[in-house]
Amino acid sequence: GAVVSQHPSWVICKSGTSVKIECRSLDFQATTMFWYRQFPKQSLMLMATSNEGSKATYEQGVEKDKFLINHASLTLSTLTVTSAHPEDSSFYICSASSRWQPQHFGDGTRLSIL
Amino acid sequence: GESVGLHLPTLSVQEGDNSIINCAYSNSASDYFIWYKQESGKGPQFIIDIRSNMDKRQGQRVTVLLNKTVKHLSLQIAATQPGDSAVYFCAENNAGNMLTFGGGTRLMVKP
Repeated sequence: GAVVSQHPSWVICKSGTSVKIECRSLDFQATTMFWYRQFPKQSLMLMATSNEGSKATYEQGVEKDKFLINHASLTLSTLTVTSAHPEDSSFYICSASSRWQPQHFGDGTRLSIL
Repeated sequence: GESVGLHLPTLSVQEGDNSIINCAYSNSASDYFIWYKQESGKGPQFIIDIRSNMDKRQGQRVTVLLNKTVKHLSLQIAATQPGDSAVYFCAENNAGNMLTFGGGTRLMVKP
């Protein structure tokens, strides 16, 4: 149980493009979803926390207009990287949790901006 | 600030041996801990958890030990296999299911 699916697994696009990443909890209702960024050989860095039906809470230093988060249902959250540039290239990981489930993670999205 | 950290960044073990990965935490009020395994190019995978009312919990080939007196966690993997090669994170589960991660330990299994 507690399966989280993240799509796409990798994406390559040109600078200036907006990219949407989806995170789905497949077998439980996720009241809270989290978005992380991970640089090589480092731990996960929390970007934002979103509760279903509410605006996301962003960590300090994360631009909310750059990284748009939507959590419209208990099974789906999306992260849109707007007008992506090479410095936004990274490994993005989502997770989902509920009152009865700790965070379970998706398999990440490798984003490469050319 | 409060933090969860690791003693060893890299652990190399022979296939078939037992592995022990350690983690120290600083928040004495923490009451729920999780170990995650992250393979290359993938997201962290939940391995096992433990609450502070326990000092030991066993899963399939894995055991987590909690020593609240010295604020120390360990993950023991029995009969380590090549598929166990990964980075292992301990995490402190806080209010709202927010996680405080340790820095990670890379486990390398030699055939």
